[in-house]
Amino acid sequence: AAGVIQSPRHLIKEKRETATLKCYPIPRHDTVYWYQQGPGQDPQFLISFYEKMQSDKGSIPDRFSAQQFSDYHSELNMSSLELGDSALYFCASSLVREQYFGPGTRLTVT
Amino acid sequence: AQKITQTQPGMFVQEKEAVTLDCTYDTSDPSYGLFWYKQPSSGEMIFLIYQGSYDQQNATEGRYSLNFQKARKSANLVISASQLGDSAMYFCAMSGPENTGFQKLVFGTGTRLLVSP
Repeated sequence: AAGVIQSPRHLIKEKRETATLKCYPIPRHDTVYWYQQGPGQDPQFLISFYEKMQSDKGSIPDRFSAQQFSDYHSELNMSSLELGDSALYFCASSLVREQYFGPGTRLTVT
Repeated sequence: AQKITQTQPGMFVQEKEAVTLDCTYDTSDPSYGLFWYKQPSSGEMIFLIYQGSYDQQNATEGRYSLNFQKARKSANLVISASQLGDSAMYFCAMSGPENTGFQKLVFGTGTRLLVSP
C-alpha cells in the first residue's frame, strides 16, 4: 500500500538559512498534518490542512509557513533557521481518523 | 486542553511474554480518539491501533489490543507474545472530537520497551 512520502529525508542547513520540506500524502487522503519532534521529545503539532485550506494551527513559529497544493502535496517552508529548529519533521495524512506518518525529514541546523 | 500521561519511561519484557503499556488521558471533549504509535530507533512513526471514545468494544489489531476504560480515562496498550522487533518507543496520543474532521494529535512522553531474548 502507498505510504506518505517526505523529501528530503535528511537536510543540513546553517543558521539563518531557509529550508523547504515536502510531503506527498497517501492518495485520496484529504488532510495533512505537520509535526516537529525534538531530540528525546514527543511530536508537537505545527499545522494542518484540509482540502488545501489551513484547518488548524499549533505552536508553529512565525518564521515557518506551509501550504497544500492542488495535487494535495504540502510544503513546510522554514526561514531564518535557528539551532533549536534541529528536529525530526513529520508529515501525516488521514482520510477519516487514523493518521499515517511519513518517514520524517531530519533537519540539522549548524 | 487535552493531556496524555505515560508514567513508564521504560519497560522490560522477555520474548513471548505479554506486556502492558500504560496511558491515561484528560480531556473535556465529549468525543475523542485514542491512538498508539510505535517509533523504532530508525525514527519512523508506525500507527498501531485506534480507539474511538464511543466504541463499545476494545480495539484489537493482531498482537495489539487497547484496554479502554473510559471511566478511569485510561487506554493501555497490550502487546501479546512479545517479539525482539517490538523493542521501540511507544507513544500514546489523542485527537479531538470525532465529528470535527480536524484532529491534531497530542502525544504523551512515550515508553521505551525493550524485549530481551
